[in-house]
Amino acid sequence: DARVTQTPRHKVTEMGQEVTMRCQPILGHNTVFWYRQTMMQGLELLAYFRNRAPLDDSGMPKDRFSAEMPDATLATLKIQPSEPRDSAVYFCASGSDSREAFFGQGTRLTVV
Amino acid sequence: EDQVTQSPEALRLQEGESSSLNCSYTVSGLRGLFWYRQDPGKGPEFLFTLYSAGEEKEKERLKATLTKKESFLHITAPKPEDSATYLCAVQAWAGNTPLVFGKGTRLSVIA
Repeated sequence: DARVTQTPRHKVTEMGQEVTMRCQPILGHNTVFWYRQTMMQGLELLAYFRNRAPLDDSGMPKDRFSAEMPDATLATLKIQPSEPRDSAVYFCASGSDSREAFFGQGTRLTVV
Repeated sequence: EDQVTQSPEALRLQEGESSSLNCSYTVSGLRGLFWYRQDPGKGPEFLFTLYSAGEEKEKERLKATLTKKESFLHITAPKPEDSATYLCAVQAWAGNTPLVFGKGTRLSVIA
């Protein structure tokens, strides 16, 4: 059963700490997205990759967020330093050739 | 800028009471319109893709339709297990564009 896998599922950290979220896309998918979901803003695009190349990261605060795809089976989203306003659910999704995207279960991040 | 507006924000139905959810969109050339279902604590689950005005897709009690300005998700004789947030997203033809989501409609179906 093909699925997008995200780790960790939950993360509580103190303000100023580094947070790394990981995503394993569905095998064979060439597009990976990172979204952030909050009650106020809904789903917001942070970054996305096609064939491991970053195409758009304009939704990401560049001074503290970074996204990478070291290989086709791993995407990472890093926040350094983390702030309380970063508390949200972070979703990774993967797709193929601009068709529908399939989402992981998300990482619920709480920064205290 | 591509935009998606969903209405209503929340909808409460009695079991068996059919209704429709609306998704209005503005996009510079529609490549596809997508419907997702999201249960609490889970990621969005893909339901349908619609590509052109007049197209319809069905799955169990759900039917999605598309016009040039909006899409409807019709729910026929809903059951409590249909309770979820329904999200609409659009993708434009221009360049390498990702999905742009609306804020969703929270549906509650009461037995």
